[in-house]
Amino acid sequence: DIQMTQFPSSLSASVGDRVTITCRTNQSISRYLNWYQQKPGKAPKVLIYVASTLQSGVPSRFTGSGSGTDFALIISSLQPEDSATYYCQQSYNFPRTFGQGTNLEIK
Amino acid sequence: QVQLLQSGGEMGKPGASVKVSCKASGYSFSTYGITWVRQAPGQGLEWMGWISPHSGNTKYTQKLQGRVTMTTDTSTSTVYMELRGLTSDDTAVYYCARDNGGAIIYFDLWGQGTLVTVSS
Repeated sequence: DIQMTQFPSSLSASVGDRVTITCRTNQSISRYLNWYQQKPGKAPKVLIYVASTLQSGVPSRFTGSGSGTDFALIISSLQPEDSATYYCQQSYNFPRTFGQGTNLEIK
Repeated sequence: QVQLLQSGGEMGKPGASVKVSCKASGYSFSTYGITWVRQAPGQGLEWMGWISPHSGNTKYTQKLQGRVTMTTDTSTSTVYMELRGLTSDDTAVYYCARDNGGAIIYFDLWGQGTLVTVSS
C-alpha cells in the first residue's frame, strides 16, 4: 500500500495568512493526488484533483502543486471559512489511501 | 438533483452485521464507481473499498477483506455495503462517494454519512 505522510497535523493561522500543507508518499504517484476539505459533521469536499486542478466552484485562493512523491496545498490568503481539516488522497492505485489530515484553525 | 442518499444510522452488537445503502440520483448510475470511506470518532478518513455499478467488480482494503461486501442494484441505482463480525473498532461514520472514474480519479460527490455504532 502507498503510505501518505501529511504535515503538519495541525496549525493555527490568521486571516490573510498564506498557509501550506504538505503531503508526501513513499513511492511515486505521478500527479495522482487529490485534496479534500472536511468541516465538522460534514462529508469531505474535493478541492484539488490531479495535484493542481481546481474543482469547479472552489475559490482560487486554493492551489495545489507537486508531482512524484511531494505535494502541497496552498491557501494564499486565509479566510475564516477555511477552518477545517484537510486530507490528501492518492488515486494512483488501490487501496486509495488518505493522509492523516491537517486540522487548520483560524486564530 | 445529483446526490447520494444514504440509509439512516445503525446500531449493532459485537459479532453482528450491518448493511448500509447508498442511493444515487440525478446522474447515470452505471457510469461512475462508488467508493466507501469511513471515519471513526475524532479520527481521519479510511478508504474501505470500491465497486463498479457497471460490472460489479470490487476492490477492498486488505484490512477488511473477508468482512466487507459491496453490491449494487442497478434497478434502483443503489449500492450496498455490508460489514460482518462487528467490533467496537467499526464504530464510525460511513460515507459513500462517487468515483468519477476514467484516468483521473477523485471523489466528487459524497453521501451525507451513516453513523454505525457497535455496542453490547
